[in-house]
Amino acid sequence: DAGVIQSPRHEVTEMGQEVTLRCKLISGHNSLFWYRQTMMRGLELLIYFNNNVPIDDSGMPEDRFSAKMPNASFSTLKIQPSEPRDSAVYFCASSFGNFQPQHFGDGTRLSIL
Amino acid sequence: SQQGEEDPQALSIQEGENATMNCSYKTSINNLQWYRQNSGRGLVHLILIRSNEREKHSGRLRVTLDTSKKSSSLLITASRAADTASYFCATDAGANSKLTFGKGITLSVRP
Repeated sequence: DAGVIQSPRHEVTEMGQEVTLRCKLISGHNSLFWYRQTMMRGLELLIYFNNNVPIDDSGMPEDRFSAKMPNASFSTLKIQPSEPRDSAVYFCASSFGNFQPQHFGDGTRLSIL
Repeated sequence: SQQGEEDPQALSIQEGENATMNCSYKTSINNLQWYRQNSGRGLVHLILIRSNEREKHSGRLRVTLDTSKKSSSLLITASRAADTASYFCATDAGANSKLTFGKGITLSVRP
């Protein structure tokens, strides 16, 4: 079975550029989570969706960040404009229903120069 | 602040020994989960224990939950070098499925 697939695996770009991270959920899962992981702050939840609807975006750092689910199996996280402090590993995870184990992708390592 | 906090922060043991990792949390929970993260990879779910359960086993893993002390422990028996990874506890509380992760424990198992 294919797991959660994230692309790209690595992204290096200059500050001010738009960055788009992509995530394909596991087929049949209806909850989607975007996390950011840094040494300083650990793993932080940015936003999550149930059935394509954003439920809690309180973790989104600021208006430069936006996330969408154009369909039930795909999501994007966009940063515009990007800043050096956005450098981190970004994970998406999916699950089937509430309170269920989450399945993580292998992340996108983002470096903003 | 983090809901789940693990200790110790780092643990180094010899292959074959048991590894015990602890997690404490602050508020009432629906369930508590443990995850493993290998270097450069995403988190992998290990085990979920519900608030009305006290102990759960999965292979070489044993998880306990003490809701009166708001704490959980993960025991890995007969550790292997391949168990070297970071381990996280995560709790969810309330009506939604939002998980809050601790900062993790780095486990090193020496061959």
